[in-house]
Amino acid sequence: AQSVAQPEDQVNVAEGNPLTVKCTYSVSGNPYLFWYVQYPNRGLQFLLKYITGDNLVKGSYGFEAEFNKSQTSFHLKKPSALVSDSALYFCAVRDRLTGGGNKLTFGTGTQLKVEL
Amino acid sequence: EAGVTQSPTHLIKTRGQQVTLRCSPISGHTSVYWYQQALGLGLQFLLWYDEGEERNRGNFPPRFSGRQFPNYSSELNVNALELEDSALYLCASAILEGTQYFGPGTRLLVL
Repeated sequence: AQSVAQPEDQVNVAEGNPLTVKCTYSVSGNPYLFWYVQYPNRGLQFLLKYITGDNLVKGSYGFEAEFNKSQTSFHLKKPSALVSDSALYFCAVRDRLTGGGNKLTFGTGTQLKVEL
Repeated sequence: EAGVTQSPTHLIKTRGQQVTLRCSPISGHTSVYWYQQALGLGLQFLLWYDEGEERNRGNFPPRFSGRQFPNYSSELNVNALELEDSALYLCASAILEGTQYFGPGTRLLVL
């Protein structure tokens, strides 16, 4: 079975400061990993994904994520936060070996609040 | 390029009624996924359709069903609505096992 943990319900950061949103995962095989963002009353917007290769993945809007196999983590980062980054962030996993029926398993989400 | 579209945007039903939600995938995408985002339960996988066939199903009762049409659009049907079916229903589309792109969702309220 595949699972994702996002240990922080909320992350607060000042505008201009770096941000990190944490994610750890569990799969039986090798993972496909994703980050999505959800703005109020909207659907999920794709940010970035890790499939294979370079452990540092760059995505939309200046976000990046680092895959760490030994720690089974895939933390989302941004060097300089913007107030407009305030939203709900979801980490998701799909098991590459079994496919998991292609379904994504999501974490519970982390609310990011960027303040002036 | 148009994204995934869903209709209606909002819906209010009463217990016991039936509802149909619709999804149009991104052009060229053959797979459609349905997820439920209920308060306190997070995002849960419902159904996966590809090339008109149901490929996988999440842990939901049989009153949740759907289909995919030859143009790859999809419907999600929920029969005998219960209060706990109140949620945001999200549709996503993909090319085979590629990245899933989500629509804006349909918010269902069951009274």
